[in-house]
Amino acid sequence: SAVISQKPSRDICQRGTSLTIQCQVDSQVTMMFWYRQQPGQSLTLIATANQGSEATYESGFVIDKFPISRPNLTFSTLTVSNMSPEDSSIYLCSVRVSGEKLFFGSGTQLSVL
Amino acid sequence: AQSVTQPDIHITVSEGASLELRCNYSYGATPYLFWYVQSPGQGLQLLLKYFSGDTLVQGIKGFEAEFKRSQSSFNLRKPSVHWSDAAEYFCAVGPSGGSYIPTFGRGTSLIVHP
Repeated sequence: SAVISQKPSRDICQRGTSLTIQCQVDSQVTMMFWYRQQPGQSLTLIATANQGSEATYESGFVIDKFPISRPNLTFSTLTVSNMSPEDSSIYLCSVRVSGEKLFFGSGTQLSVL
Repeated sequence: AQSVTQPDIHITVSEGASLELRCNYSYGATPYLFWYVQSPGQGLQLLLKYFSGDTLVQGIKGFEAEFKRSQSSFNLRKPSVHWSDAAEYFCAVGPSGGSYIPTFGRGTSLIVHP
Protein backbone atom coordinates (compact mmCIF):
# COMPACT_ATOMS: atom_id res chain seq x y z
CA SER A 1 0.00 0.00 0.00
CA ALA A 2 0.95 3.67 -0.08
CA VAL A 3 0.13 6.65 2.09
CA ILE A 4 -0.07 9.92 0.22
CA SER A 5 0.08 13.31 1.86
CA GLN A 6 -1.26 16.11 -0.30
CA LYS A 7 -1.05 19.80 0.58
CA PRO A 8 -2.82 22.16 0.80
CA SER A 9 -6.16 20.45 1.38
CA ARG A 10 -7.98 23.52 0.15
CA ASP A 11 -7.27 27.06 -0.93
CA ILE A 12 -9.07 30.11 -2.19
CA CYS A 13 -7.06 32.07 -4.73
CA GLN A 14 -7.36 35.23 -6.73
CA ARG A 15 -7.63 35.22 -10.48
CA GLY A 16 -4.24 35.49 -12.20
CA THR A 17 -2.23 33.97 -9.37
CA SER A 18 -0.62 30.52 -9.19
CA LEU A 19 -0.89 27.71 -6.68
CA THR A 20 1.53 24.84 -6.16
CA ILE A 21 0.15 21.57 -4.82
CA GLN A 22 2.50 19.12 -3.15
CA CYS A 23 2.23 15.34 -3.07
CA GLN A 24 4.42 13.24 -0.76
CA VAL A 25 4.39 9.44 -0.81
CA ASP A 26 5.65 7.20 1.97
CA SER A 27 7.38 4.85 -0.46
CA GLN A 28 9.29 5.11 -3.70
CA VAL A 29 7.07 4.94 -6.77
CA THR A 30 7.90 5.18 -10.42
CA MET A 31 4.75 6.75 -11.74
CA MET A 32 2.70 9.52 -10.19
CA PHE A 33 -0.47 10.88 -11.72
CA TRP A 34 -2.27 14.18 -11.37
CA TYR A 35 -6.03 14.29 -11.82
CA ARG A 36 -8.61 17.04 -11.90
CA GLN A 37 -12.11 16.46 -10.56
CA GLN A 38 -14.51 19.17 -11.63
CA PRO A 39 -17.90 19.44 -9.91
CA GLY A 40 -20.25 16.76 -11.19
CA GLN A 41 -17.59 15.39 -13.52
CA SER A 42 -15.44 12.32 -13.59
CA LEU A 43 -11.75 12.37 -12.76
CA THR A 44 -9.71 13.63 -15.67
CA LEU A 45 -6.05 12.76 -15.97
CA ILE A 46 -3.90 15.88 -16.33
CA ALA A 47 -0.47 14.29 -16.64
CA THR A 48 1.79 11.43 -15.70
CA ALA A 49 4.96 12.35 -13.84
CA ASN A 50 7.96 10.05 -13.95
CA GLN A 51 11.07 10.81 -11.97
CA GLY A 52 13.91 12.08 -14.11
CA SER A 53 11.91 12.91 -17.19
CA GLU A 54 9.41 15.45 -18.43
CA ALA A 55 5.81 14.88 -17.45
CA THR A 56 3.48 13.50 -20.11
CA TYR A 57 0.37 15.64 -20.54
CA GLU A 58 -3.03 14.49 -21.70
CA SER A 59 -4.93 16.16 -24.47
CA GLY A 60 -6.23 19.54 -23.36
CA PHE A 61 -3.54 20.13 -20.73
CA VAL A 62 -0.29 21.98 -21.34
CA ILE A 63 2.91 22.40 -19.39
CA ASP A 64 2.70 26.20 -19.30
CA LYS A 65 -0.61 26.01 -17.47
CA PHE A 66 0.14 22.98 -15.28
CA PRO A 67 3.90 22.68 -14.75
CA ILE A 68 4.89 19.57 -12.84
CA SER A 69 8.05 18.74 -10.95
CA ARG A 70 9.19 15.27 -9.94
CA PRO A 71 12.54 15.69 -8.19
CA ASN A 72 12.63 12.21 -6.64
CA LEU A 73 10.68 8.98 -6.30
CA THR A 74 8.57 10.12 -3.36
CA PHE A 75 7.57 13.68 -4.22
CA SER A 76 5.86 15.70 -6.92
CA THR A 77 4.29 19.12 -7.32
CA LEU A 78 1.62 20.43 -9.64
CA THR A 79 1.30 24.16 -10.22
CA VAL A 80 -1.90 25.69 -11.50
CA SER A 81 -0.73 28.87 -13.23
CA ASN A 82 -2.49 32.12 -14.05
CA MET A 83 -5.68 30.83 -12.50
CA SER A 84 -9.19 31.65 -13.60
CA PRO A 85 -12.52 30.64 -12.05
CA GLU A 86 -12.68 27.76 -14.55
CA ASP A 87 -9.74 26.18 -12.71
CA SER A 88 -11.86 25.73 -9.59
CA SER A 89 -11.75 21.98 -9.03
CA ILE A 90 -10.41 19.26 -6.82
CA TYR A 91 -6.90 18.23 -7.80
CA LEU A 92 -5.76 14.76 -6.85
CA CYS A 93 -2.40 13.06 -6.99
CA SER A 94 -2.23 9.33 -7.38
CA VAL A 95 0.41 6.64 -7.47
CA ARG A 96 0.40 3.15 -8.86
CA VAL A 97 1.61 0.44 -6.54
CA SER A 98 1.69 -3.34 -7.04
CA GLY A 99 0.32 -3.66 -10.50
CA GLU A 100 -2.85 -1.88 -11.40
CA LYS A 101 -3.84 -0.60 -7.96
CA LEU A 102 -4.00 3.17 -7.63
CA PHE A 103 -3.72 5.07 -4.37
CA PHE A 104 -4.97 8.61 -4.11
CA GLY A 105 -4.18 11.60 -2.00
CA SER A 106 -7.02 13.32 -0.18
CA GLY A 107 -7.15 16.04 -2.79
CA THR A 108 -6.79 19.81 -2.95
CA GLN A 109 -10.01 21.75 -3.27
CA LEU A 110 -9.24 24.91 -5.21
CA SER A 111 -11.58 27.86 -5.52
CA VAL A 112 -10.62 30.74 -7.77
CA LEU A 113 -12.36 34.07 -7.29
CA ALA B 1 -11.42 4.50 -26.87
CA GLN B 2 -12.57 3.26 -23.51
CA SER B 3 -15.40 4.94 -21.64
CA VAL B 4 -17.43 4.46 -18.50
CA THR B 5 -21.04 5.41 -17.90
CA GLN B 6 -22.57 5.74 -14.49
CA PRO B 7 -26.18 6.61 -15.34
CA ASP B 8 -27.23 7.61 -11.84
CA ILE B 9 -25.91 10.92 -10.53
CA HIS B 10 -27.58 10.49 -7.14
CA ILE B 11 -28.98 7.43 -5.38
CA THR B 12 -30.94 7.69 -2.14
CA VAL B 13 -31.52 4.65 0.06
CA SER B 14 -32.65 4.04 3.60
CA GLU B 15 -30.21 2.61 6.09
CA GLY B 16 -30.47 -1.16 6.06
CA ALA B 17 -31.81 -1.31 2.52
CA SER B 18 -29.99 -2.99 -0.32
CA LEU B 19 -27.98 -1.01 -2.85
CA GLU B 20 -27.05 -1.37 -6.49
CA LEU B 21 -24.96 1.22 -8.34
CA ARG B 22 -24.83 0.86 -12.09
CA CYS B 23 -21.76 0.98 -14.29
CA ASN B 24 -21.54 0.34 -18.00
CA TYR B 25 -18.32 0.41 -19.92
CA SER B 26 -17.12 0.49 -23.48
CA TYR B 27 -13.88 -1.25 -24.23
CA GLY B 28 -12.68 -3.31 -27.15
CA ALA B 29 -10.98 -6.10 -25.25
CA THR B 30 -11.10 -7.67 -21.83
CA PRO B 31 -11.03 -4.77 -19.42
CA TYR B 32 -9.80 -4.30 -15.92
CA LEU B 33 -12.70 -2.92 -13.87
CA PHE B 34 -12.66 -1.06 -10.59
CA TRP B 35 -14.91 0.58 -8.06
CA TYR B 36 -13.58 3.39 -5.91
CA VAL B 37 -15.24 5.25 -3.05
CA GLN B 38 -14.58 8.87 -2.09
CA SER B 39 -15.79 10.07 1.28
CA PRO B 40 -16.11 13.83 1.82
CA GLY B 41 -12.70 15.47 2.04
CA GLN B 42 -10.92 12.23 1.28
CA GLY B 43 -9.06 10.73 -1.63
CA LEU B 44 -10.36 7.74 -3.53
CA GLN B 45 -10.17 4.31 -1.95
CA LEU B 46 -10.31 1.10 -3.94
CA LEU B 47 -13.35 -1.02 -3.04
CA LEU B 48 -12.78 -3.90 -5.42
CA LYS B 49 -11.40 -4.84 -8.80
CA TYR B 50 -12.00 -7.38 -11.53
CA PHE B 51 -9.17 -8.67 -13.69
CA SER B 52 -10.26 -12.16 -14.68
CA GLY B 53 -11.79 -15.34 -13.33
CA ASP B 54 -14.88 -15.38 -11.13
CA THR B 55 -17.24 -12.70 -12.37
CA LEU B 56 -18.58 -12.00 -8.88
CA VAL B 57 -15.98 -10.01 -7.00
CA GLN B 58 -15.94 -9.38 -3.29
CA GLY B 59 -14.53 -6.16 -1.93
CA ILE B 60 -14.03 -4.30 1.29
CA LYS B 61 -16.80 -2.95 3.52
CA GLY B 62 -19.24 -5.65 2.43
CA PHE B 63 -19.42 -4.57 -1.21
CA GLU B 64 -19.49 -6.87 -4.20
CA ALA B 65 -19.69 -6.36 -7.95
CA GLU B 66 -20.60 -8.60 -10.83
CA PHE B 67 -18.97 -8.46 -14.25
CA LYS B 68 -21.44 -9.20 -17.04
CA ARG B 69 -19.66 -9.25 -20.36
CA SER B 70 -22.87 -9.60 -22.39
CA GLN B 71 -24.22 -6.40 -20.84
CA SER B 72 -20.88 -4.56 -20.59
CA SER B 73 -21.74 -3.90 -16.97
CA PHE B 74 -20.00 -3.99 -13.63
CA ASN B 75 -22.65 -3.07 -11.07
CA LEU B 76 -21.77 -2.55 -7.44
CA ARG B 77 -24.01 -4.06 -4.76
CA LYS B 78 -24.36 -4.17 -1.02
CA PRO B 79 -27.11 -6.12 0.77
CA SER B 80 -27.53 -3.70 3.69
CA VAL B 81 -26.37 -0.10 3.57
CA HIS B 82 -24.94 1.70 6.60
CA TRP B 83 -25.05 5.45 7.15
CA SER B 84 -21.26 5.53 6.83
CA ASP B 85 -21.56 4.31 3.23
CA ALA B 86 -22.75 7.77 2.17
CA ALA B 87 -20.07 8.87 -0.31
CA GLU B 88 -19.25 9.30 -3.97
CA TYR B 89 -18.66 6.08 -5.90
CA PHE B 90 -16.61 5.88 -9.05
CA CYS B 91 -16.44 3.07 -11.55
CA ALA B 92 -13.28 2.84 -13.66
CA VAL B 93 -12.09 0.77 -16.60
CA GLY B 94 -8.53 0.18 -17.71
CA PRO B 95 -6.68 -1.84 -20.30
CA SER B 96 -5.23 -5.12 -19.21
CA GLY B 97 -1.49 -4.84 -18.95
CA GLY B 98 0.88 -2.24 -20.31
CA SER B 99 1.00 1.31 -19.04
CA TYR B 100 -2.37 1.02 -17.40
CA ILE B 101 -4.19 4.30 -16.78
CA PRO B 102 -7.87 3.97 -15.92
CA THR B 103 -10.79 5.95 -17.25
CA PHE B 104 -13.25 7.00 -14.56
CA GLY B 105 -16.99 7.42 -14.69
CA ARG B 106 -18.56 10.65 -13.50
CA GLY B 107 -19.47 9.14 -10.16
CA THR B 108 -22.67 8.36 -8.28
CA SER B 109 -23.44 10.16 -5.06
CA LEU B 110 -24.99 7.86 -2.46
CA ILE B 111 -27.28 9.43 0.12
CA VAL B 112 -28.34 7.31 3.07
CA HIS B 113 -31.47 8.18 5.06
CA PRO B 114 -31.70 7.04 8.68
